[in-house]
Amino acid sequence: DAGVTQSPTHLIKTRGQQVTLRCSPISGHKSVSWYQQVLGQGPQFIFQYYEKEERGRGNFPDRFSARQFPNYSSELNVNALLLGDSALYLCASSPGTGVTYEQYFGPGTRLTVT
Amino acid sequence: GQSLEQPSEVTAVEGAIVQINCTYQTSGFYGLSWYQQHDGGAPTFLSYNALDGLEETGRFSSFLSRSDSYGYLLLQELQMKDSASYFCALSNFNKFYFGSGTKLNVKP
Repeated sequence: DAGVTQSPTHLIKTRGQQVTLRCSPISGHKSVSWYQQVLGQGPQFIFQYYEKEERGRGNFPDRFSARQFPNYSSELNVNALLLGDSALYLCASSPGTGVTYEQYFGPGTRLTVT
Repeated sequence: GQSLEQPSEVTAVEGAIVQINCTYQTSGFYGLSWYQQHDGGAPTFLSYNALDGLEETGRFSSFLSRSDSYGYLLLQELQMKDSASYFCALSNFNKFYFGSGTKLNVKP
């Protein structure tokens, strides 16, 4: 079975632009979470979605938004990009309703903002 | 809020045993998880403690003491492939909080 997939792998954007990152969860998993990981730090929780509804949100500005589709795939959108948004963006899926302790992570999208 | 503290780096010799500690502050949580992340890779799940005590999974064991706000990951029979970053993480119903990670260097 395929694991969590994310696209694109790498992305370079300019300050002020907008970006959309995509994630497909493991088949049968209905929950998707998004994380931002800056080099040398742990992943920081951004959002959790279950059944197309936002169930949890971390301490990120409103420039960050997400949605989940009927097939449980998800998109993370970041507007008005700042240099500080440069990071690895990780998507994780889990089968349950909440953010269960065992999450399956995708390979991530490396975003560079110049 | 939530905060988790881990040593930034630990070095050990192949075949040895190493313990990675995690202290936390939280208003409430379901359990403490541990994840491994190799350079350039995605985090992968290692172990979980919902209750106080020791959980053993092969060469890896994890411990939790809620009264001490403390947990640790124990790696036995270290192998070179265990060189990676290790993260503790708190989970409540709809949020997940990772520590800053401990980089484990295994030397021959």
